[in-house]
Amino acid sequence: QVQLVESGGGAVQPGRSLSLSCAASGFTLSTYGMHWVRQAPGKGLEWVADIWNDGHSKYYVDSVKGRFTISRDSSKNTVYLQMNSLRVEDTAVYYCARDRDWGALDYWGQGTLVTVSS
Amino acid sequence: QSALTQPPSVSGSPGQSVTISCTGTSSDVGGFNRVSWYHQPPGTAPKLLIYGVTNRPSGVPDRFSGSKSGNTASLTISGLQAEDESDYYCSSYTQTSTVVFGGGTKLTVL
Repeated sequence: QVQLVESGGGAVQPGRSLSLSCAASGFTLSTYGMHWVRQAPGKGLEWVADIWNDGHSKYYVDSVKGRFTISRDSSKNTVYLQMNSLRVEDTAVYYCARDRDWGALDYWGQGTLVTVSS
Repeated sequence: QSALTQPPSVSGSPGQSVTISCTGTSSDVGGFNRVSWYHQPPGTAPKLLIYGVTNRPSGVPDRFSGSKSGNTASLTISGLQAEDESDYYCSSYTQTSTVVFGGGTKLTVL
């Protein structure tokens, strides 16, 4: 069955970096687009980034452009989110999710918490 | 990349129908038939209810239906049940190849 497991979250100071991983099983990453979505404590969902099934097309929400990078390793069936120059407002649970159809996300991981604080 | 507009809360009694609206622009909701709906029970990850405006993934009851008119999409839940109490989010693909979510709607079953 399809499963997504995020890891790499934790507490970090403003300006530092963190790398999130999303290990996929039950399907082949290279046949699906993948997304990162975040949710600040007590707030709604915010789309962060995606990588298309071609592995090359990547898109980001304006607030993370130039700071975050999405990538994937098909040999490990894993998607990554490299987060640099972290800000307090990046504090959130980060979910990875699979795209079944133009932004429709049919499988989600359990999420990993990133806390940015001095 | 402004968030789609949803009512903060809606409510209904068991057995009734409720509709949640999701308003965007011609650059997202109005420009594409790529609207999705999710529900997120407390402490869990979101779950896909509707995709492509009107389509239900397998396993989603037909009590949940989606529609769209112009720049506004809607989710209707008929035969309301206590377990439907949850947060609901819409999302849309956009003309800049990104995705935008609505602010979320809390459904209370009275």
